[in-house]
Amino acid sequence: QTVVTQEPSLTVSPGGTVTLTCASSTGAVTSGNYPDWFQQKPGQAPRTLIYRTSNKHSWTPARFSGSLLGGKAALTLSGVQPEDEADYYCQLYYGGAQVFGGGTKLTVL
Amino acid sequence: EVQLVESGGGLVKPGGSLRLSCAASGFAFSNAWMNWVRQAPGRGLEWVGRVKIKTDGGATDYAAPVKGRFTMSRDDSENTLYLQMNSLKTEDTAVYYCTTGTYEGYWGPGTLVTVSS
Repeated sequence: QTVVTQEPSLTVSPGGTVTLTCASSTGAVTSGNYPDWFQQKPGQAPRTLIYRTSNKHSWTPARFSGSLLGGKAALTLSGVQPEDEADYYCQLYYGGAQVFGGGTKLTVL
Repeated sequence: EVQLVESGGGLVKPGGSLRLSCAASGFAFSNAWMNWVRQAPGRGLEWVGRVKIKTDGGATDYAAPVKGRFTMSRDDSENTLYLQMNSLKTEDTAVYYCTTGTYEGYWGPGTLVTVSS
């Protein structure tokens, strides 16, 4: 049973920078795990922010960026806005399966 | 405008069956891998399964908790994705989302499935 681990919660000040990470129980996360990142606000469906490590959609704010960092996938928010307060999920691919992390609750305070 | 609209959710007894549908519009459905993702009340996201496009063989893959009980299919002529759910358990209670592959990045609003006696 593959487990994908994220920080349960993080707090950041408006205008600050924060990095969320995504680790795999099988070892280092690589580009071959095609890391994706999703944002979900209360009462809403998730939306895709980053796909295949670092690719953005047209709706992804420029302050969001994805990367690989120290054997993990990472989502960095630079110049955090109050509206970035949300739950963030990563997803990794393992051949025939996809696994979500448990999510990070980001508080902007 | 891209739309994914799920339907077919509702209340069902343990051991029962339900079929969910997802009507797609505004993008090339036949060229998109499609997924079902679920979210139990107050919990995180859980991948349920995926169906590839016909030119990739139309193969399906499922998460371990639903393998053998759930079946995904697609009708490219109707731009519709299906999820047949059999032998439902209380732990299958969740909002079920229809999503494209992350390259397209689209999600539906979800439909609630409640499994309870």
